Amino acid sequence: GDSVTQMEGPVTLSEEAFLTINCTYTATGYPSLFWYVQYPGEGLQLLLKATKADDKGSNKGFEATYRKETTSFHLEKGSVQVSDSAVYFCALIKGDMRFGAGTRLTVKP
Amino acid sequence: DAGVTQSPTHLIKTRGQHVTLRCSPISGHKSVSWYQQVLGQGPQFIFQYYEKEERGRGNFPDRFSARQFPNYSSELNVNALLLGDSALYLCASSLEDRGQAGTQYFGPGTRLLVL
Repeated sequence: GDSVTQMEGPVTLSEEAFLTINCTYTATGYPSLFWYVQYPGEGLQLLLKATKADDKGSNKGFEATYRKETTSFHLEKGSVQVSDSAVYFCALIKGDMRFGAGTRLTVKP
Repeated sequence: DAGVTQSPTHLIKTRGQHVTLRCSPISGHKSVSWYQQVLGQGPQFIFQYYEKEERGRGNFPDRFSARQFPNYSSELNVNALLLGDSALYLCASSLEDRGQAGTQYFGPGTRLLVL
C-alpha cells in the first residue's frame, strides 16, 4: 500500500545550520505530497505542499521538491532558528492521507 | 476566519467506557477526516466524511464510529475503551472530496487518556 518513510530522528542542530530531513514515498500513480509541522502540545500545521512531479513547495524558508524519479520529497532549510524546533511529518494523499513517523528537530542557540 | 475546532481538549476515561469527540470544520469545508496519533508516531487515518457520507475508513475496529451533521461538523465515537486507545485524536477539514488530493487543515486535537 501507499506509505511514507522519513529519516529517523531526533535531529539536533545549532542555530543557522543547514537542515535536511529525508522523505521517500511508495505509491501507485502520482500522489500529492506534504510537509506538516507539529509544535509541542499542538495539532499539525501545513508547512508546504507539492502536487506534481518537479513542483517545489516553499514556506518560511523551508523548501521541498517533488522528485518522481527518486520518489522523494526531502525538506530543506538553509539556516534554522531556535523557533524551528518541532516535529516534522512528511505525508502523501491519494485517497487517504498517509504520514511518516515524524522527525523531531531541536535547534540550539 | 476560525480554523478547525475540536472539543474537548483533554479527556480522561476508564476502560470499558465510551467517548464522543467533536469537530467543527473550517467554514465552507465539506470534508472532515479523523486521525489517531499515538505518542511518538505519525497520525493514522480513521475516517473521512464528505457531505455527510462516509468516504473512507482506516484499519480500526468497529468500536470506532463517526458521523457528519448537516452543518458539516462531525463526531467520533469510541466504545468499550481500551488502554491502547489513549492518544491524540486529530480532526482535519478540506474543501475536496476523497481522491481529489486537497489540502487538509488540522485542529488542535483532543488528548484522550484511558485508565
